[in-house]
Amino acid sequence: DAGVIQSPRHEVTEMGQEVTLRCKPISGHDYLFWYRQTMMRGLELLIYFNNNVPIDDSGMPEDRFSAKMPNASFSTLKIQPSEPRDSAVYFCASSFSDRGRPQHFGDGTRLSIL
Amino acid sequence: AQSVAQPEDQVNVAEGNPLTVKCTYSVSGNPYLFWYVQYPNRGLQFLLKYITGDNLVKGSYGFEAEFNKSQTSFHLKKPSALVSDSALYFCAVRGNTGGFKTIFGAGTRLFVKA
Repeated sequence: DAGVIQSPRHEVTEMGQEVTLRCKPISGHDYLFWYRQTMMRGLELLIYFNNNVPIDDSGMPEDRFSAKMPNASFSTLKIQPSEPRDSAVYFCASSFSDRGRPQHFGDGTRLSIL
Repeated sequence: AQSVAQPEDQVNVAEGNPLTVKCTYSVSGNPYLFWYVQYPNRGLQFLLKYITGDNLVKGSYGFEAEFNKSQTSFHLKKPSALVSDSALYFCAVRGNTGGFKTIFGAGTRLFVKA
């Protein structure tokens, strides 16, 4: 049973470049979440979707960040233009629409902006 | 507002000794409580959950957690620690009303010494 798949696993790019992170959730899951993890701020929820519709994007740090979910099996998180302070590990997670069910996390994308 | 507190940044324990990782929470209504573990360069993995019923819940790898409603706590425990238990542990809470957000604690790093 395939888990949540994220790509790329590592990304190194220069400041000002566009960055696109990708996520394939577990088949059948209704919810998809994007998180960012840093030493200073811990695990932060950026945005989450229900049935491909964005529900809460209050955690998106600024307009440079955008997320889409064009279908049930794919989501992207885009940063344009990127800045060094965006360096972090970005996680995607998915779950069923049952509050008692846990989230399943991908192994993350480690992003470094030079 | 929902919140989770993990009062210890780090817990050190000798192999074979019991371990406890503390968690307290604040949520409106009945809580859905979770523990996750994160190993280096991996995403968070679900360990166990409390939804309702018996206050002592058992999970993966010999871990268990005790729900205490009056103290609003959900401490993670294991009777005999292994070196391989060394990892970052997150407590998380989700309310039974409103949005589908899961609030994560800051994490507690567990070191088990041989």
